[in-house]
Formats: sequence, C-alpha cells, structure tokens
Amino acid sequence: DTAVSQTPKYLVTQMGNDKSIKCEQNLGHDTMYWYKQDSKKFLKIMFSYNNKELIINETVPNRFSPKSPDKAHLNLHINSLELGDSAVYFCASSQDLVRSYTGELFFGEGSRLTVL
Amino acid sequence: GESVGLHLPTLSVQEGDNSIINCAYSNSASDYFIWYKQESGKGPQFIIDIRSNMDKRQGQRVTVLLNKTVKHLSLQIAATQPGDSAVYFCAENMVYSGGGADGLTFGKGTHLIIQP
Repeated sequence: DTAVSQTPKYLVTQMGNDKSIKCEQNLGHDTMYWYKQDSKKFLKIMFSYNNKELIINETVPNRFSPKSPDKAHLNLHINSLELGDSAVYFCASSQDLVRSYTGELFFGEGSRLTVL
Repeated sequence: GESVGLHLPTLSVQEGDNSIINCAYSNSASDYFIWYKQESGKGPQFIIDIRSNMDKRQGQRVTVLLNKTVKHLSLQIAATQPGDSAVYFCAENMVYSGGGADGLTFGKGTHLIIQP
C-alpha cells in the first residue's frame, strides 16, 4: 500500500481556473505538509498541518489554501491559477512536527501542475 | 533566502567508485541535518540524518559527515550502483520564527550520474 498518495499526478489547466490536489496518508502520522518544487528542483515548504494547527509559510499567496477533513488527509486548493504556479507539488507526512524530532518526512510521488 | 546550498549541481562517477556530495549551510541553530534522495518522477526519500552534536554517522553504504566549524555537510556513497542515480538534497531541521511553517529547509540538489 502506498504510504502517501496524491491525486492527480498530472494536471493541465488554464490561467484563472481553480483546482485542487488531494493527499492521503495511511501511516497514522500527526503532521502533513505541502511542498512546492520548481523547475530547478528547489523544494520549498508551503504549509504544515498538525492537530488542526495550520502554519503557513509567509511567502505563500492566499490563493493557496490547504483543507484537512481529517488527520489522514490534507488537500490543496488553488484559486485563480497563474503561470508561475506551474510546478510539482509534493504532499508529505511525518510522525510529529519536525521541530520535535529528526525530521524524516514521507513524501508522495508529486502532482505536476501546468498552467497554460 | 536559502540557508542550505550545494557546491556542485551535477556529479558524474563511474559505477563502483565512491561518491561524495557536499553541502554548505548557514544556520548554526539547526538540530538535525538530513539527506534525501529523489529519483526521477518520484518524491524525495529519506536516506540518513545526523544530529548537530555528532560529526559522523554511518548507514548502509552511506556516511554523513558534519563539520560545524565550516558549516559543511557531506554524503559519501560507497561503491556506487546504477540505482544510486538521482538528485540528492541536504536539508536542515529549522524552526522558522514569526510567520513561517515548520518543516525542513532543503538545499538546491545535486544530480548524481552513475557511468557504466
């Protein structure tokens, strides 16, 4: 069974549209994250979510919003998509907030978003 | 700005040789330093970590060295195999202050190519 799964794997859409990416983890972890990887492979954290505490990276536009229906799911909603949003988005989970331990994250396989 | 960076974007080695991937960091307050491997089309995968009070840690065919004096981290891979071809990221466990998300700060990545 896949530990962290994301859907869809590929997403092509027009500028201005609203889209969502879903993420589920079956590891029983308490914390989930969204990372963005740009064309140069640079990985940057967008959100972390732990026990209903959402921590947002200050550089993330408010067009991006995570939603967590339960501990095992953290979906990413993006409104009014822009060309610069094109990237690979990775969901990840960890046993606890990384502040409290080594920081081993379990990543999904990524969702490649292309905005035309 | 970034606090973790890599010296070389691409490293090519012969199969069977040893590989050394280097990383510089700037945040002395990080508790852990971690190496991740990302194969093409997949999410990053944890390899090994090292606590800031250690200078060396060994795993299976991998060794991580930490030099806090010069803020340098390296990953040594012994007897490289074709399956080692991937992008390698160093990361540090750093808690943002004031408006940031808990999570790992990743370096830019080094593409390791194994020549037959």
